[in-house]
Amino acid sequence: GAGVSQSPSNKVTEKGKDVELRCDPISGHTALYWYRQSLGQGLEFLIYFQGNSAPDKSGLPSDRFSAERTGGSVSTLTIQRTQQEDSAVYLCASSQLAGGFYNEQFFGPGTRLTVL
Amino acid sequence: GESVGLHLPTLSVQEGDNSIINCAYSNSASDYFIWYKQESGKGPQFIIDIRSNMDKRQGQRVTVLLNKTVKHLSLQIAATQPGDSAVYFCAEIRIQGAQKLVFGQGTRLTINP
Repeated sequence: GAGVSQSPSNKVTEKGKDVELRCDPISGHTALYWYRQSLGQGLEFLIYFQGNSAPDKSGLPSDRFSAERTGGSVSTLTIQRTQQEDSAVYLCASSQLAGGFYNEQFFGPGTRLTVL
Repeated sequence: GESVGLHLPTLSVQEGDNSIINCAYSNSASDYFIWYKQESGKGPQFIIDIRSNMDKRQGQRVTVLLNKTVKHLSLQIAATQPGDSAVYFCAEIRIQGAQKLVFGQGTRLTINP
């Protein structure tokens, strides 16, 4: 079946521009996560959506970052006024989150963002 | 804050040999520990997990060991193959709430022919 897809796969932008990154989770997965992977670093949590609940935005590094999830499916991560330190691979993951036990997160291929 | 980290950034082994990738963690409240494999240009792929109340878990060619006394996690890959070349991350998770993964820095494993 189809996995998590992300678009674009690569994005090059100029400092100060806004960018939008898209994630299509696995159909039926209620939980959606955004992570960021900086060069040579591990992944850091950014934001989490679960159903109709308020998102957990605790990992967003600044107010220039925002995300939404429409209709409980597709999610868009927006970075306003991009800075060079925003350059990274942005990864999306989804899972069939259910309470009480571990739910495997399935990752998309990521969007590589380069801010010039 | 608490974090999960890796001892070695790179590891090279001969094809057919066994490899061991290590990880130290600091959050004793984690419920699960997970190993992910990431190939170039791809997202992380789940390999194996272990619950915090276990010491060892085996999969196909992989074994994860958990030593809670010293807060140490390891991934053993038996009879390595060229396709095992990748970056390996350990991660921790708490099952309550959002189940956010906390990742280590990663170890690049290279299999030499």
